[in-house]
Amino acid sequence: EADIYQTPRYLVIGTGKKITLECSQTMGHDKMYWYQQDPGMELHLIHYSYGVNSTEKGDLSSESTVSRIRTEHFPLTLESARPSHTSQYLCASRGWENTEAFFGQGTRLTVV
Amino acid sequence: AQSVTQPDIHITVSEGASLELRCNYSYGATPYLFWYVQSPGQGLQLLLKYFSGDTLVQGIKGFEAEFKRSQSSFNLRKPSVHWSDAAEYFCARGDTGTASKLTFGTGTRLQVTL
Repeated sequence: EADIYQTPRYLVIGTGKKITLECSQTMGHDKMYWYQQDPGMELHLIHYSYGVNSTEKGDLSSESTVSRIRTEHFPLTLESARPSHTSQYLCASRGWENTEAFFGQGTRLTVV
Repeated sequence: AQSVTQPDIHITVSEGASLELRCNYSYGATPYLFWYVQSPGQGLQLLLKYFSGDTLVQGIKGFEAEFKRSQSSFNLRKPSVHWSDAAEYFCARGDTGTASKLTFGTGTRLQVTL
């Protein structure tokens, strides 16, 4: 059982609102990732971190930002939500490079 | 950039039939390869992984995959599919290095008919 948690699971919010998607893991993993996934589509890496105080942009450009102040916590923030941000956001963590990534259950975001 | 290709977007099989899902990766150093399964509205669950050694790896739920370096492939197989196997399947490659990013294929949606 993976020890990585995302909250909320579902979020419906109005345009222009600021939101933060939470992701926490209790496995002590240095590497954490955020993926964006539209329904039935592939996963796109939007942010990653390889340790405290490190954050990097992923392969897909995103208006969101992330922070990594603590090892276990990797929140994603949208300063001003728009309908184009409607998607599923998946958080993952990984220990050594020869191990798998563990995924949270995802947050399904709908911006109306 | 390293890439992963899943040629089949959608596959339909009958319950009890055998299954093979294809995955090809871009050539590079010995890759770390994974197969994940995703049920609707859920996160990803690891089915199996390959790092080195025996090229035939066994996973959960009766799945197996074979690493073939000569073909740059890592195809997923199951001898007899169950209706509960209907889901989205993703092949992924793990990068080496500091960030150790995972690069995913576009996924294959499996439908199982009764």
